[in-house]
Parts: sequence; C-alpha cells; structure tokens
Amino acid sequence: EDQVTQSPEALRLQEGESSSLNCSYTVSGLRGLFWYRQDPGKGPEFLFTLYSAGEEKEKERLKATLTKKESFLHITAPKPEDSATYLCAVQAEDYKLSFGAGTTVTVRA
Amino acid sequence: NAGVMQNPRHLVRRRGQEARLRCSPMKGHSHVYWYRQLPEEGLKFMVYLQKENIIDESGMPKERFSAEFPKEGPSILRIQQVVRGDSAAYFCASSPREGTQYFGPGTRLLVL
Repeated sequence: EDQVTQSPEALRLQEGESSSLNCSYTVSGLRGLFWYRQDPGKGPEFLFTLYSAGEEKEKERLKATLTKKESFLHITAPKPEDSATYLCAVQAEDYKLSFGAGTTVTVRA
Repeated sequence: NAGVMQNPRHLVRRRGQEARLRCSPMKGHSHVYWYRQLPEEGLKFMVYLQKENIIDESGMPKERFSAEFPKEGPSILRIQQVVRGDSAAYFCASSPREGTQYFGPGTRLLVL
C-alpha cells in the first residue's frame, strides 16, 4: 500500500524566515509526486508535479525537489499570504492520488 | 477556462436521507475522481470515473455509496440513507487523460 508521511505537522514562521517541508513516500511504480496548497474551506490548489529523482520546480517563493524516497518543499522568505496547509500526494500506476496528512504553515508578519 | 465546479457547496441532511453531490469537470477533461476529507484526516480516494465507465471504485464503501459520470452532464456521487459518519468534505478532481488532477471547491456534507 502506498504511504505518504509529511513533517512537521505544523510550522510557525516569522515573515522572511525560510524553511522546508518534508514528504517521505513509499509507492510501487511512481508516476508522479504532487504538491498542493489548501486554504481553510477550499479545495486543494495545484502547485507542482515532479516525475523523477533530481527534478526541481519553482514558483515564486516555493521550490519543490524530489529524491527516490522523499520530496522537499522549500519556502524562501515567506509572507503571511503563504499561510496554508501544504499537501503532498503520490500517484502510482492506478492514477489515484495517495495524500499525506499535510503541513499547516503559519507565517506571522 | 472555468475550473472544476461542484454543487452544492454545503449540504445538510438528516439521518436516513439521500445526498447527491455534483461535479462538472474542467473543459476538455474526461477523467473524474472523488475524494473524501473527514474532519482532522487527510484526503482519501473514493472512485475514479471516465465517461460512462467506473474505472476504480476501490476506495468507496460497498454499501450506500454510488457514483456515475454519464455521457452528458455532471458526475454524481450519491449517498443513500446517510449516517452521521458520512459528514465530511467531498472533493471532485478532473484531469485530461492521465496526469495532474485539478480539484473543485468541495461539498461540505453535514448529517444531523
């Protein structure tokens, strides 16, 4: 069974204080690893897809990296609007997504 | 290009009633997925559909739950004889063939 573990569960940052979120996974036949952002009361918003070890993607203050066992989401100089729950999910051969429990990030001004 | 649409956004039902949740995928997307998010839990896969076909329903409870994606119209997730444990947020996602799934805003079901 596919497993996705995210750490930490919660992260409180001061504005401008860079940090990283971890997503470790075990999956049979990885098709892709996905990062989503979810705000309270809303649906997950797509951020990145990573397909192979060594791949990196960036969007504004966010950068996602992938190894064979884990992925990191780096937040550089975060702003209060980056406060959200960040979800990691893996997609196996059957196309369905298996999600981690998420990391809730709070950025204080 | 409109995103994935779900309605209603909020639904209140009494125990024993039926709940019907609707999902219109993004334009050009023919693959639909339903996920459930229970309070304080992560998103869990329920069912994967293509037009007129159920591809994978391994995450859906065997009783009371059913899903369809007809040739015309939205995908429907139907819950019969709802119980309090069905209270959750139900999310629909769509994708063009395989690949990145884009999520709708969800339907929050409350069973009284």
